[in-house]
Amino acid sequence: EAQVTQNPRYLITVTGKKLTVTCSQNMNHEYMSWYRQDPGLGLRQIYYSMNVEVTDKGDVPEGYKVSRKEKRNFPLILESPSPNQTSLYFCASSLDLGGTQYFGPGTRLLVL
Amino acid sequence: AQKVTQAQTEISVVEKEDVTLDCVYETRDTTYYLFWYKQPPSGELVFLIRRNSFDEQNEISGRYSWNFQKSTSSFNFTITASQVVDSAVYFCALSEEVRGSTLGRLYFGRGTQLTVWP
Repeated sequence: EAQVTQNPRYLITVTGKKLTVTCSQNMNHEYMSWYRQDPGLGLRQIYYSMNVEVTDKGDVPEGYKVSRKEKRNFPLILESPSPNQTSLYFCASSLDLGGTQYFGPGTRLLVL
Repeated sequence: AQKVTQAQTEISVVEKEDVTLDCVYETRDTTYYLFWYKQPPSGELVFLIRRNSFDEQNEISGRYSWNFQKSTSSFNFTITASQVVDSAVYFCALSEEVRGSTLGRLYFGRGTQLTVWP
């Protein structure tokens, strides 16, 4: 089954404790992206990647890192999480730019 | 300035009413793509439609229809004979093919919360 998976689905952590949210797709998509969703703000793009080893900033990259060492994986790293990073995070992939983006199920993160 | 504006934050209708969700976008590019996504209460994002800038034909899919008008930079979404299961947040999004800083970006509107009452 074609899908985008994210782990963990739910995470509670404390300020400053490094964490990684994994994202994996099995559709051989070139394009992958991370978004955060906050009430009243819709979805905002954090980072995206157009291929292996090619990543770039979206609207709200501060406090986040990404890497794309393999085509199927695009982890989101929070080196030192802060409470303002409490949010719902979505990973997405598409065949190419402008293609339909398929979203993962979301990761709810709470930073205390 | 927002690239995608969904002016309606919340809409409530009674079942069987028709409802239109507005989406206005802003771009200087001639090649771009527009999307609608649905987010039901369960939280996942469900793809509804993708339209490229060269295809202005309106589309109908069951009770759903989309009206794309480049002249007004709008891509409105109509649900005919709404049902309780249509209750969700609906997002409009824009992807551009401009080279440079906006390549690869996908811009979402802030969403419209639709509530359909029985």
